[in-house]
Amino acid sequence: KAGVTQTPRYLIKTRGQQVTLSCSPISGHRSVSWYQQTPGQGLQFLFEYFSETQRNKGNFPGRFSGRQFSNSRSEMNVSTLELGDSALYLCASSFAGSGKQYFGPGTRLTVT
Amino acid sequence: AQTVTQSQPEMSVQEAETVTLSCTYDTSESDYYLFWYKQPPSRQMILVIRQEAYKQQNATENRFSVNFQKAAKSFSLKISDSQLGDAAMYFCASFSGGSNYKLTFGKGTLLTVNP
Repeated sequence: KAGVTQTPRYLIKTRGQQVTLSCSPISGHRSVSWYQQTPGQGLQFLFEYFSETQRNKGNFPGRFSGRQFSNSRSEMNVSTLELGDSALYLCASSFAGSGKQYFGPGTRLTVT
Repeated sequence: AQTVTQSQPEMSVQEAETVTLSCTYDTSESDYYLFWYKQPPSRQMILVIRQEAYKQQNATENRFSVNFQKAAKSFSLKISDSQLGDAAMYFCASFSGGSNYKLTFGKGTLLTVNP
């Protein structure tokens, strides 16, 4: 089976812009989770989707949003980018929302 | 709320030797799972090993094994016969079987393997 894929891999945006990141889970996996990784805060949970429904959301401002499509692919959107949003954004999929999550290679977002 | 603490920011080991990485956790859940993930320089997170909290037997995966002390809320990872490819950041993580559907990670331990 193909692994989790994320696009784009690298992104440079300007403060105030918005960005959309995409994640395609492993075939058959219905749960997709997103994490933000920064040197200062470490790995932080953004949100989790299962069958197009958001089941949990982390402590992030409303500028961070996401959605999941019927084919389980997921997107996350960050509006009004701030310098502090520069991070590695990791997507992970699992069969039904278990801890045994398989991670994608990440999207490195740089906000200037 | 769940918390995971890794008290060793960095560790080093000689090739072929054994090293143990420490992790403590706190949770109010009765049903939970514990994990060790590895993140090499490529930044790809790789699942190393999983432990179900209801199982008393410690999990093993080839050269990797855990020491799960439920009462002490301790979950250490032992790497035997260390190899150069084991060099990476190692994250301990917890996941509750309840309804929050999220992994809670520790800050990580950077493991260096010396030839």
